[in-house]
Amino acid sequence: DVKVTQSSRYLVKRTGEKVFLECVQDMDHENMFWYRQDPGLGLRLIYFSYDVKMKEKGDIPEGYSVSREKKERFSLILESASTNQTSMYLCASSLIGASGRTDTQYFGPGTRLTVL
Amino acid sequence: KQEVTQIPAALSVPEGENLVLNCSFTDSAIYNLQWFRQDPGKGLTSLLLIQSSQREQTSGRLNASLDKSSGRSTLYIAASQPGDSATYLCAVTGTASKLTFGTGTRLQVTL
Repeated sequence: DVKVTQSSRYLVKRTGEKVFLECVQDMDHENMFWYRQDPGLGLRLIYFSYDVKMKEKGDIPEGYSVSREKKERFSLILESASTNQTSMYLCASSLIGASGRTDTQYFGPGTRLTVL
Repeated sequence: KQEVTQIPAALSVPEGENLVLNCSFTDSAIYNLQWFRQDPGKGLTSLLLIQSSQREQTSGRLNASLDKSSGRSTLYIAASQPGDSATYLCAVTGTASKLTFGTGTRLQVTL
């Protein structure tokens, strides 16, 4: 079974702090993704990566950066946390399917981040 | 810009009923469509993936159909059980491998 793990289930940080969210997958997937989920807005893509050291902006990249130094690990960084970044953060990974596009995405359990 | 809509937003049915969840998308140029389940406070679990060339996929009591030209998909759940209670999300894969999600249908199956 594919396993995607996230470093924390719950996190409380203060405004202005630098925050690191870690995601690790164990199935040698090429693609990895970071989403945030907010009530009424659904899941929105922050960044994704289709290979080591490669990254692409999603729909809402402002205020975030990412790092992928190893294939199995994809980190989301909040350079200076703000209260509007309080949210549920979900990481996912996938293979590249036969069509050359993303195949089934497997999600981690999520990190609920509160910024005070 | 792709938009994905799920109707209804919430649904309550008695145990044993068959039910249909709807998903529509505005741009038919998709590569695949996925249905996910999310339990409260948890991550997403993939249920079914339909490639753009396929019409339907089945897994146990679940059947998902895709009509790409009309921008619609349905998830059919047979003989619903209380354990099916969750939020169901559909997502379409468009260009650059990006998924666009709907906001989900919250299903409650009552005893």
